[in-house]
Amino acid sequence: DTEVTQTPKHLVMGMTNKKSLKCEQHMGHRAMYWYKQKAKKPPELMFVYSYEKLSINESVPSRFSPECPNSSLLNLHLHALQPEDSALYLCASSQVLAGFQETQYFGPGTRLLVL
Amino acid sequence: SQQGEEDPQALSIQEGENATMNCSYKTSINNLQWYRQNSGRGLVHLILIRSNEREKHSGRLRVTLDTSKKSSSLLITASRAADTASYFCATNQGGSEKLVFGKGTKLTVNP
Repeated sequence: DTEVTQTPKHLVMGMTNKKSLKCEQHMGHRAMYWYKQKAKKPPELMFVYSYEKLSINESVPSRFSPECPNSSLLNLHLHALQPEDSALYLCASSQVLAGFQETQYFGPGTRLLVL
Repeated sequence: SQQGEEDPQALSIQEGENATMNCSYKTSINNLQWYRQNSGRGLVHLILIRSNEREKHSGRLRVTLDTSKKSSSLLITASRAADTASYFCATNQGGSEKLVFGKGTKLTVNP
């Protein structure tokens, strides 16, 4: 199973809402990632979890709160978002081998619209 | 800042032709990867080339890496309409879990 699943596929939320994005993988990968991608731009790294511990936070605003409940699951909690946060949010996972970056497997993404 | 910079930004070719995309980067790397993204979808890993490798093949894909010039190229031979997508190179900075993507090349293959 080389699949990373993400739910929901689409999400529309108001600026006062609280919502969560979910990501799951069953490949035994111990690194998981959240990316944000705006239209016609490359993915931008937000967070990295390695062995269920947050290892990289790319200075992401606190209205985005990641959580890694176990080695297969990754959540992104959203609160008080701004319209400029509208984007495609991608989850990915990879093996961790001696600290070197290996192939990342991406989910299909959640397309978020903040009104 | 973006580590990888793809060239060209957009490429339009006819089915059956070859497509070549280039990527340049600035710092030393452990490996370089190429990914494909169909419109609005997740990224699909195509190929990974390590810093001690110079060329790698996978099906119709050929990737080269020149660490002295800090550049890589992706060649897609005998292109098909289904190859229409955006292609990104991505590099990691030594010892880091961080993968940095280039700006991408949007490839259109016309039937």
